[in-house]
Amino acid sequence: AQTVTQSQPEMSVQEAETVTLSCTYDTSENNYYLFWYKQPPSRQMILVIRQEAYKQQNATENRFSVNFQKAAKSFSLKISDSQLGDTAMYFCAFMKPPIRAGNMLTFGGGTRLMVKP
Amino acid sequence: EAQVTQNPRYLITVTGKKLTVTCSQNMNHEYMSWYRQDPGLGLRQIYYSMNVEVTDKGDVPEGYKVSRKEKRNFPLILESPSPNQTSLYFCASSLSTGPHEQYFGPGTRLTVT
Repeated sequence: AQTVTQSQPEMSVQEAETVTLSCTYDTSENNYYLFWYKQPPSRQMILVIRQEAYKQQNATENRFSVNFQKAAKSFSLKISDSQLGDTAMYFCAFMKPPIRAGNMLTFGGGTRLMVKP
Repeated sequence: EAQVTQNPRYLITVTGKKLTVTCSQNMNHEYMSWYRQDPGLGLRQIYYSMNVEVTDKGDVPEGYKVSRKEKRNFPLILESPSPNQTSLYFCASSLSTGPHEQYFGPGTRLTVT
């Protein structure tokens, strides 16, 4: 079974600075997908970024980028130029293909990020 | 607007009183899932469905039932709720083919006393 670990329960960062959230996972699979989801106080789950394991290039979405280290089974999220609206819970998640269990996501425990003005 | 809807958003009930949380999606997605979110544990899959009349257990199915009679709807049924089912519940849907993004509903906060 896959496990996902987020070792930082809480983090804070000053507005406009950069912060990195850590995620490690355990799997014997070679092909899989990794995701970061954001959950603001509204509780809505919002996809931030995704990475296919077969792609060596790290995914980037505007101010959000990942550092994907397949051999180390590490998938960290970097947020540049942090904004107050980035304050949220962030979840790292793993999906294993061939797609089974309705595209089941295995989530980490989450990191609560606070951006301070 | 493409969306997943859940009702109710908040529910307080008592032990043993049957309840249903509805979920509906308007994106013609084949796959639908229910997750529960608990502090420190992230989200865990309860049940999933890969098509009409096709459902199966996820990681934490005990105490729950589901049905998929129509493609758009996937209700979650708690026939005899207990306090350990107090949680935040999410319905999600996705296509059976790539890019496999899960679309989540707004969540249902359930309290069982």
